Amino acid sequence: GQQVMQIPQYQHVQEGEDFTTYCNSSTTLSNIQWYKQRPGGHPVFLIQLVKSGEVKKQKRLTFQFGEAKKNSSLHITATQTTDVGTYFCAGWSGAGSYQLTFGKGTKLSVIP
Amino acid sequence: DAGVTQSPTHLIKTRGQQVTLRCSPKSGHDTVSWYQQALGQGPQFIFQYYEEEERQRGNFPDRFSGHQFPNYSSELNVNALLLGDSALYLCASSSRRRLMAPDTQYFGPGTRLTVL
Repeated sequence: GQQVMQIPQYQHVQEGEDFTTYCNSSTTLSNIQWYKQRPGGHPVFLIQLVKSGEVKKQKRLTFQFGEAKKNSSLHITATQTTDVGTYFCAGWSGAGSYQLTFGKGTKLSVIP
Repeated sequence: DAGVTQSPTHLIKTRGQQVTLRCSPKSGHDTVSWYQQALGQGPQFIFQYYEEEERQRGNFPDRFSGHQFPNYSSELNVNALLLGDSALYLCASSSRRRLMAPDTQYFGPGTRLTVL
């Protein structure tokens, strides 16, 4: 079945440093979604990428979808303590499937 | 506008028992998906309900079953509980149009199930 892998598993950064998490799928994806889960909370939708090579920005967050639609990344510029949490990517394989497959997530810690 | 609600918040059961978890979707949503999130892991898809039917199931045994009611709310039932069933159970609602990419999933706060 479809597998979605994320690296790194953990990342500790000094406040103000940049952060990147990478997501790779074993199969070509129709789209990919990114979620953030704060400690003790539930996943909150951030963004959805659909097109090959797509790049979307949300303030300090930049999301990319690979040309082959098998990988994606999330980059945060100048991290803040409010960025703390676990970031998950979730892939959808396409028509005929209603399942989103989540990666294991990257847990971000920001040292003030 | 109420978001996704789940009950109960926490639950403690013993091995072999049965449990029922409940979910009310966000207003306007007709599709409910259930996920199991073990500690330190990503959510794992259990199944999705649409039009009161199970539309797709993930890799979970038949001990996991569900139901969707006409008002779109849903229940997750787990029979013969195992220690490994201890996890956060998340319900997510969306508005799913047939044969199209999944819309944003709105997650509820989850039910923390502990099996002793």
